[in-house]
Amino acid sequence: EPEVTQTPSHQVTQMGQEVILRCVPISNHLYFYWYRQILGQKVEFLVSFYNNEISEKSEIFDDQFSVERPDGSNFTLKIRSTKLEDSAMYFCASSAGSIRGTQYFGPGTRLLVL
Amino acid sequence: GENVEQHPSTLSVQEGDSAVIKCTYSDSASNYFPWYKQELGKGPQLIIDIRSNVGEKKDQRIAVTLNKTAKHFSLHITETQPEDSAVYFCAERNNAGNMLTFGGGTRLMVKP
Repeated sequence: EPEVTQTPSHQVTQMGQEVILRCVPISNHLYFYWYRQILGQKVEFLVSFYNNEISEKSEIFDDQFSVERPDGSNFTLKIRSTKLEDSAMYFCASSAGSIRGTQYFGPGTRLLVL
Repeated sequence: GENVEQHPSTLSVQEGDSAVIKCTYSDSASNYFPWYKQELGKGPQLIIDIRSNVGEKKDQRIAVTLNKTAKHFSLHITETQPEDSAVYFCAERNNAGNMLTFGGGTRLMVKP
């Protein structure tokens, strides 16, 4: 069964450093998403991406964040200058459609900012 | 903005018993309500979903009910098994966009 994959599974970085989290969505999906989950808190929406542009973003997704689909398979989340409060589990998801599409989640990347 | 409240935060049941998890939402435009199961170290996995044009949906031991008037929906698991132990999240989405808004999660423990 096709699945969303994410790398790395864990990332430790120093405050102020840039990190790139990578995702390979399900191959025939057209819509891509990033969510995050701070330890013990809700899963929160960050951004959705379709047709090579951001279609929706939350207040969390500020100028420090960016997303890119550099090739036909990868979807990346970049945090330019990490802060302590960026420590969280980051989930990538993809769906075949938009309004009616089921979102399938990857296993997540645990980011720890020291 | 949208808000989803989920109860209880933890639930412990004996194997074979039923488990019920409830969620309420605030956005009257919400029309899609998925439930995700998250096992330790894994991402959320969709287990069942319901759209606003139906009141109930069942898939083997799992069922979801929706009351649009009261703005609440529930997950029912019958004949629970130890492998049902996980964190369960409800979520909602409306037609205005494609972001999911999640509830706070319920840690279900099924004791053998």
